[in-house]
Amino acid sequence: DAMVIQNPRYQVTQFGKPVTLSCSQTLNHNVMYWYQQKSSQAPKLLFHYYDKDFNNEADTPDNFQSRRPNTSFCFLDIRSPGLGDAAMYLCATSRDTGLYTDTQYFGPGTRLTVL
Amino acid sequence: DQQVKQNSPSLSVQEGRISILNCDYTNSMFDYFLWYKKYPAEGPTFLISISSIKDKNEDGRFTVFLNKSAKHLSLHIVPSQPGDSAVYFCAARDRDNYGQNFVFGPGTRLSVLP
Repeated sequence: DAMVIQNPRYQVTQFGKPVTLSCSQTLNHNVMYWYQQKSSQAPKLLFHYYDKDFNNEADTPDNFQSRRPNTSFCFLDIRSPGLGDAAMYLCATSRDTGLYTDTQYFGPGTRLTVL
Repeated sequence: DQQVKQNSPSLSVQEGRISILNCDYTNSMFDYFLWYKKYPAEGPTFLISISSIKDKNEDGRFTVFLNKSAKHLSLHIVPSQPGDSAVYFCAARDRDNYGQNFVFGPGTRLSVLP
């Protein structure tokens, strides 16, 4: 009964080789988030979609891009992965009506290794 | 500059005793606080939350306390069980024109010893 699904769970790529991580949700939530988490650190927000509106964090490198073709799916594209991009990437969703307070629901994450 | 801090990377507690996890924040605009629990190889799962207009919220064995003047919140687990062993993240919500944004602390690893 998965709600936020991330594929693949483990991804290995080579230095400089583009990679795409995917996230899908069955919750029909209007907000989707991508976080990067390195070992023993806080999950760091890269960007989020509020419906179709894309919101980039100021310190997210240009190397990271995202697409949300519909409500259910969101993709994280890393155009030229560097060794420093090796991390766990977490996708999350939430419902935000402006009035209703909701929490985030996380996927299991994709662990990216860069060789 | 960390807006949400969890100064204890790890905590060990005996089964049946109380676990107290602490969290400090710097942004007075945060209006909602959450605790998440994370097991290895899984994403964080929501545990309990508290609005900034309250100072306590209780759900079974879990209680969250908020001290706004000190910008401090804590999670109490009583009694602690071995299954509570996990990493606990404190998070705070910041509302802006783009909706809601959640800022996370680095986590505290709780080990409950049988």
